[in-house]
Order: sequence, then structure tokens, then C-alpha cells
Amino acid sequence: KAGVTQTPRYLIKTRGQQVTLSCSPISGHRSVSWYQQTPGQGLQFLFEYFSETQRNKGNFPGRFSGRQFSNSRSEMNVSTLELGDSALYLCASMRRGLDTQYFGPGTRLTVL
Amino acid sequence: GQSLEQPSEVTAVEGAIVQINCTYQTSGFYGLSWYQQHDGGAPTFLSYNALDGLEETGRFSSFLSRSDSYGYLLLQELQMKDSASYFCAVGYSGAGSYQLTFGKGTKLSVIP
Repeated sequence: KAGVTQTPRYLIKTRGQQVTLSCSPISGHRSVSWYQQTPGQGLQFLFEYFSETQRNKGNFPGRFSGRQFSNSRSEMNVSTLELGDSALYLCASMRRGLDTQYFGPGTRLTVL
Repeated sequence: GQSLEQPSEVTAVEGAIVQINCTYQTSGFYGLSWYQQHDGGAPTFLSYNALDGLEETGRFSSFLSRSDSYGYLLLQELQMKDSASYFCAVGYSGAGSYQLTFGKGTKLSVIP
């Protein structure tokens, strides 16, 4: 079974721009979660989608949004980028609640 | 809200045993997970404890005490490749669904 894939792997943007990141979960997994990882801050939860519905949301500003498609693929969008948005963005999929999360390789976003 | 505390850094000698502690505060607790992340890599699942006691998987063991809101990851016969960051994550019931919150991670350095 193919693992979780994320595209692009690396991205450089400038302040004020917007960006869209993509995540394809493991086949059969219906839940996709997004995390932001910065040095020393661990993995901070952004949101989780299940069956095209946002089920949970972390404490991030409205500039961060996401969606999930009928094939469980998910995208996250960050508008009006700020320098502090530079981070590794990870997505993880799982079959259902109380299950193991399988992480993708991440997208490294640099905001200049 | 939820909070997890784990040491930021630990150093141990190759071949030795190391224990990484994690204390948490949460309501609706389901279980405690551990993930390993090598530099530049994605987090990968190591173990999960829902009940009190010790779970063993090869050289790795994980322990949970629900009454003390405490758990630890034990790594035996340390190898250089065990140098990585280790995250504890608490699963809990919130907003009508299962959620996962990660600690900030413990950077383990294995020295010869």
C-alpha cells in the first residue's frame, strides 16, 4: 500500500502571497489531519477532515483553511503569508478514530 | 485544554537504556502514543497505551499510569540510529470526536 504523499515537498513564497498544499492519504483512510511543525514547538494541530467535513480545528487564525475531496485527498490553504508561517507542514491519515496516524513526508514552506 | 510535558533533550550512550517521560493533563483521555522522528523525516508510530501497564515492542517499551497521568518510553540496547526526536501524544475525546495532541518532543542523542 502506498503511503501518505504530500506535494510539493518544498516551497518558497513571499509575504502576502497565498499557498495551497496537497495531501493524498493512504488508500481506505478517510481521516486527514494537518499539523504545523516549527523548531521547539512540536507538532501543532491545524485541523482534521473526515468524509469531506472538518471535524476538528486547532487554534490557528482564519488565514489557514482546508478542505477534503470525495476521494479523501485534502488540501490546505494559507492566505496572506507571514514570515512566521515558515514551517514544515505535515499531514497524517488514519482509518478511523482511536487509530494510528500515518504521516506524510511534509511540505517545507519558507516565507521570505 | 490539553497539555503534555516531556524533556527537551536527553543524551545516552550506545548500548545503554534510556527512559523518556511524559506527563499530561487532559479530560476524556483515551490513550498515550509515542512517535519517532528523525531529522528531515516524518513522524512514525512507535507504540500506544490505552490501559495501565507496560507494552513491549522489541527494544522499545512504553508504560502508562492513568491515575498519575504519566507515561514513559523505554529504549533498550541503544543504537546510533535511535538518535531522533520522540513525541508523546495524548488521544482524547473532544468536540464529539477523537483528537490527538502532541508534546513538543524530546531530542535523543546517542553517543558512542
